[in-house]
Amino acid sequence: EPEVTQTPSHQVTQMGQEVILRCVPISNHLYFYWYRQILGQKVEFLVSFYNNEISEKSEIFDDQFSVERPDGSNFTLKIRSTKLEDSAMYFCASRKLGQRSYNSPLHFGNGTRLTVT
Amino acid sequence: KNEVEQSPQNLTAQEGEFITINCSYSVGISALHWLQQHPGGGIVSLFMLSSGKKKHGRLIATINIQEKHSSLHITASHPRDSAVYICAVRRVETSGSRLTFGEGTQLTVNP
Repeated sequence: EPEVTQTPSHQVTQMGQEVILRCVPISNHLYFYWYRQILGQKVEFLVSFYNNEISEKSEIFDDQFSVERPDGSNFTLKIRSTKLEDSAMYFCASRKLGQRSYNSPLHFGNGTRLTVT
Repeated sequence: KNEVEQSPQNLTAQEGEFITINCSYSVGISALHWLQQHPGGGIVSLFMLSSGKKKHGRLIATINIQEKHSSLHITASHPRDSAVYICAVRRVETSGSRLTFGEGTQLTVNP
């Protein structure tokens, strides 16, 4: 069964450094998402992306964050200048566009654990 | 107050027991998801519901739109069912179909 792939599985970076988290969504999917989960807390929405642009973003997704689909397969999340509080598990997700697309299932990657020191 | 509330927060059961996890929400939704998060952190989608009931193997999910409540049932529980179960809703008014998550229910099934 096709799956969403995220790399790396774990990234350690120093405060102030830029990081890029990478995702390969399922090939026929058209909606892409980033979520994050701070240790011990619930999963939070960051951003959704469709048709090469952001369709919705949360208040967490400030100017330090950006997303890009640089080619036909990758979907990336960039954090420009990491802060200690950016330490979290970051999940990529995707879903296909269907007749009732808002109700098509969401497929998650296994996550990238980001540790900012 | 959280828009999505789950109960219980923690649940310990013996192998073979019937398990129920509850989810209540306070907003209008277009769909409700039940997700399973494994100890390593990966998230798997179990069900997506907008009405009625769905069954997959030993798992059953129900939703009552009028009461804004959903339940996830596990029949004949097994230690491999041990995981965090998360309820998440897609609010009606959001354009990008973002999900709002509950805190999760930590389930431990002992042999």
